[in-house]
Amino acid sequence: QSALTQPRSVSGSPGQSVTISCTGTSSDVGGYNFVSWYHQHAGKAPKLIIYSVTKRPSGVPDRLSGSKSGNTASLTISGLRAEDEGDYHCCSYAGPQSFGYVFGTGTKVTVL
Amino acid sequence: EVQLVASGGDLVKPGGSLRLSCAASGFTFSNAWISWVRQSPGKGLEWVGRIKSKSAGGTTDYAAPQTGSFTISRHDSKNTVYLYMNSLKTEDTAVYYCTTEGAAGIDYWGQGTLVTVSS
Repeated sequence: QSALTQPRSVSGSPGQSVTISCTGTSSDVGGYNFVSWYHQHAGKAPKLIIYSVTKRPSGVPDRLSGSKSGNTASLTISGLRAEDEGDYHCCSYAGPQSFGYVFGTGTKVTVL
Repeated sequence: EVQLVASGGDLVKPGGSLRLSCAASGFTFSNAWISWVRQSPGKGLEWVGRIKSKSAGGTTDYAAPQTGSFTISRHDSKNTVYLYMNSLKTEDTAVYYCTTEGAAGIDYWGQGTLVTVSS
């Protein structure tokens, strides 16, 4: 199972919006509505911020939103803030081939 | 509060073995599915495998590269999951995280434990 493709880095100024793409195949992203996103600060464990493509866990601000079209999922961060810096990872259920998960290559977000 | 504390990471020679532990608290452990995910230095995340709750059969699934050399087990009375790793290779060097797996995928993460495979 190949990793999902994400841009290596994105950046934006405070208050701006950035979007991170996550491209897979019809066997993972395109085949299931089980796409999650995780935010990871340097040296820390990842934290769930989006699940089931569009849902936010309790406590995650609505500035963060998820979507999916075909084999590509996207995470949009609106009103960029300093605390949004870090690495973002997408993840999709990988189907009956492994009954497991495939992660994205990771995207570093920099707030200018 | 959900807590997952992974331990057991160490420096091990290629071909060696290691057992990682994941101690859980803050939720009903016996009902939980637990996955291990690893992150190689400077790289992305990689799903390693999972163990289901006993009520779901207690079975395990593994990513293809780990099948045969990694084994996951659980001890519900100790709220602990174990990851046994055999025939370790240098490419197994990573921080290993234990996570809970909800109906919609991986949700909570522990702090991770570092495994270094080097001669």
